[in-house]
Amino acid sequence: GNSVTQMEGPVTLSEEAFLTINCTYTATGYPSLFWYVQYPGEGLQLLLKATKADDKGSNKGFEATYRKETTSFHLEKGSVQVSDSAVYFCALHQAGTALIFGKGTTLSVSS
Amino acid sequence: DGGITQSPKYLFRKEGQNVTLSCEQNLNHDAMYWYRQDPGQGLRLIYYSQIVNDFQKGDIAEGYSVSREKKESFPLTVTSAQKNPTAFYLCASSIVGRGASGANVLTFGAGSRLTVL
Repeated sequence: GNSVTQMEGPVTLSEEAFLTINCTYTATGYPSLFWYVQYPGEGLQLLLKATKADDKGSNKGFEATYRKETTSFHLEKGSVQVSDSAVYFCALHQAGTALIFGKGTTLSVSS
Repeated sequence: DGGITQSPKYLFRKEGQNVTLSCEQNLNHDAMYWYRQDPGQGLRLIYYSQIVNDFQKGDIAEGYSVSREKKESFPLTVTSAQKNPTAFYLCASSIVGRGASGANVLTFGAGSRLTVL
């Protein structure tokens, strides 16, 4: 069946450092891929998405490229801020099914 | 503003009691979902509904029940049969439609934290 695997956290960075959170997936066909973010005590918010191979999703300085050859959708940001501290979830969707989430990666940014 | 409202935010339950978590949306979304979040386990799907009066089990439906009598509402009952109900519960909704803009993008509520005493 379909699945999403994220790098385990926590990821601890200093402000202005470069961020990568790895995400790989297993699916048949051509799923849509998403990154969601959860700030402390809140629900999840959509951060970015890509619906086909080679698409790049971007938002708030975050980027992720849909790589079908490596079945990956890694999240990157060039310079993190303290306000980026949150839990990040990679997710996958295929028609006829509900969204499948990875286990989440906690990011902690210190000043 | 449109959104999803979950209530209560915090709930305490004694063992053997059923409790119902409320989820209401005014986004005119057809699909609604319930997820359970536990530390280190991410989000696991309990139930989802793509249309009124119809719903499907997710990966961990045992010990839970839902109803979808109105488009706006999708309450979740945690029954006494659920062995380990202490968790953070998230409700979400989305539009449905292959290729539709925004399809399958979930909007989440703020969550309900259930603690069994």
